Amino acid sequence: NAGVMQNPRHLVRRRGQEARLRCSPMKGHSHVYWYRQLPEEGLKFMVYLQKENIIDESGMPKERFSAEFPKEGPSILRIQQVVRGDSAAYFCASSQQGRNEAFFGQGTRLTVV
Amino acid sequence: GESVGLHLPTLSVQEGDNSIINCAYSNSASDYFIWYKQESGKGPQFIIDIRSNMDKRQGQRVTVLLNKTVKHLSLQIAATQPGDSAVYFCAENINARDYKLSFGAGTTVTVRA
Repeated sequence: NAGVMQNPRHLVRRRGQEARLRCSPMKGHSHVYWYRQLPEEGLKFMVYLQKENIIDESGMPKERFSAEFPKEGPSILRIQQVVRGDSAAYFCASSQQGRNEAFFGQGTRLTVV
Repeated sequence: GESVGLHLPTLSVQEGDNSIINCAYSNSASDYFIWYKQESGKGPQFIIDIRSNMDKRQGQRVTVLLNKTVKHLSLQIAATQPGDSAVYFCAENINARDYKLSFGAGTTVTVRA
């Protein structure tokens, strides 16, 4: 049973480009959480999604960031027109139901140059 | 070795000694707490959790203590091993309906041989 899969593991983008981060939850999991981790800091909640629904996006920046979790396929975190301050590790976690334990992926490390 | 105060960024401990990592949480309404271990380049790994109706929980070589009066959480690691070297985060669940977590800043534990 594969764990939470995130790809790519490392992503380099120039300022102004778009970054697309993918998260495939564990088999049978329909809840996905995205977190961002700046260097030497803790993880910060961004968004909570169920299949085809955004449940809580209170941690998402108001502009340039969006997330989706379609009926088929991975969850996508999309960052448009990236800036240097977007450089961070982005983690997703998945769970079977809302309050069940969530398991984290290995993260995508985004570097904006 | 013990980290003191609200949180100390680093803790150096001799192999075989016990480690104590401290954490202050922010929301008195939080009812679920988790300790995570994060190794370099990896995602957070669940260590142990505790609910607010308990003040102590033990696992294999680890014990979590919860003091709701002062909103303090600690993780004790018995007989610390080189493989315990990592960053340790406490996290609180502030919403009873999901797994949205608020993470502390983290403590880096280094085990001396």
